Amino acid sequence: DAGVIQSPRHEVTEMGQEVTLRCKPISGHNSLFWYRQTMMRGLELLIYFNNNVPIDDSGMPEDRFSAKMPNASFSTLKIQPSEPRDSAVYFCASRYGTDSGYTFGSGTRLTVV
Amino acid sequence: ILNVEQSPQSLHVQEGDSTNFTCSFPSSNFYALHWYRWETAKSPEALFVMTLNGDEKKKGRISATLNTKEGYSYLYIKGSQPEDSATYLCALLTGANNLFFGTGTRLTVIP
Repeated sequence: DAGVIQSPRHEVTEMGQEVTLRCKPISGHNSLFWYRQTMMRGLELLIYFNNNVPIDDSGMPEDRFSAKMPNASFSTLKIQPSEPRDSAVYFCASRYGTDSGYTFGSGTRLTVV
Repeated sequence: ILNVEQSPQSLHVQEGDSTNFTCSFPSSNFYALHWYRWETAKSPEALFVMTLNGDEKKKGRISATLNTKEGYSYLYIKGSQPEDSATYLCALLTGANNLFFGTGTRLTVIP
């Protein structure tokens, strides 16, 4: 298995632009998580899906952030419009069941200038 | 929000030394405790998932214990090697499936 695949690895965009981050979870994993990592706050959960259904989006910072999971093998995290304070590394993770650890993707480093 | 504290923040040890660090949390109101290893420029990798008081897990030279009553978990590394250099993250999983991470202990093993 190729693991959790995220794209792009790096994204540099101008303030105000729309940014879409993509994630392909491990096949068979039924939970998918989006995390944001910053120096100040460490790893923070933004949203997670269980069987493609959003369960908890209380970590999504603002309405500018949205996430979808149209099927079991794909999820997107969209920021529109982007702002410089959104600059961070965004990780996607997936898991099967409830007793296993999370498998993280390599992350997308977002820079908004 | 669960307050997960890890200590020390960073640690330098000589190759061959054994070491340990701590994850502490205020209550036992969680579903599981996870340990992750995070190498620079890579993504976190799951080491252990622990659920029961008194639980002890081992993987090679790395082991972990959990004391839910007193609110701590220890991670031990026996005979540290340079390749053990990484940030070790502790995280608590709530019943709502929210994994709260500590800020990690950054370990550097000096050859």
